[in-house]
Amino acid sequence: AQTVTQSQPEMSVQEAETVTLSCTYDTSENNYYLFWYKQPPSRQMILVIRQEAYKQQNATENRFSVNFQKAAKSFSLKISDSQLGDTAMYFCAFRKYNNNDMRFGAGTRLTVKP
Amino acid sequence: DAGVIQSPRHEVTEMGQEVTLRCKPISGHDYLFWYRQTMMRGLELLIYFNNNVPIDDSGMPEDRFSAKMPNASFSTLKIQPSEPRDSAVYFCASSYRVSQPQHFGDGTRLSIL
Repeated sequence: AQTVTQSQPEMSVQEAETVTLSCTYDTSENNYYLFWYKQPPSRQMILVIRQEAYKQQNATENRFSVNFQKAAKSFSLKISDSQLGDTAMYFCAFRKYNNNDMRFGAGTRLTVKP
Repeated sequence: DAGVIQSPRHEVTEMGQEVTLRCKPISGHDYLFWYRQTMMRGLELLIYFNNNVPIDDSGMPEDRFSAKMPNASFSTLKIQPSEPRDSAVYFCASSYRVSQPQHFGDGTRLSIL
């Protein structure tokens, strides 16, 4: 079974600074997808970024980027120029290549301080 | 484009009552998912449909839970009879093809007294 581990229950960062959230996963699969979802206090689950395991290039979406280390099974999220609106729970998720069973980590609560 | 629409947003009911949660997926999406989120267990997949057909319901906790998708634009998750331990946030999500990301609704916060 695939497991996803987020070892940082809570983190904080000053506005405009950079923060990195950690995620590791365990799988025997070679092809799969990884995701970061954001859940603000409004409770929505918002897709932040995704990475296909067969792509070596790290995904980037504006201020959000990932450091995907396939051999180490690590998938960290970097948020640059943090904004107050980035305050949320962040969930790392894993999904096999041709399978809809998505496994989520326990989440990291990020607080951006003014 | 309208996202995934769930109703109600909040539901408070007494133990033993029937609860029905509703979901309208994004138009054109052929996969629909029901998740449950609790503090203890995090986000869990309960069941998912492909083209209105249930594909995997192994996450459904017990027979009190049932889900249907009568057409491509509507799904329900029913709990009968409800119990306090069913209190959670229930999310519906949809996606186009298995390779595409899942888009979530705003969730239904269910409280069983």
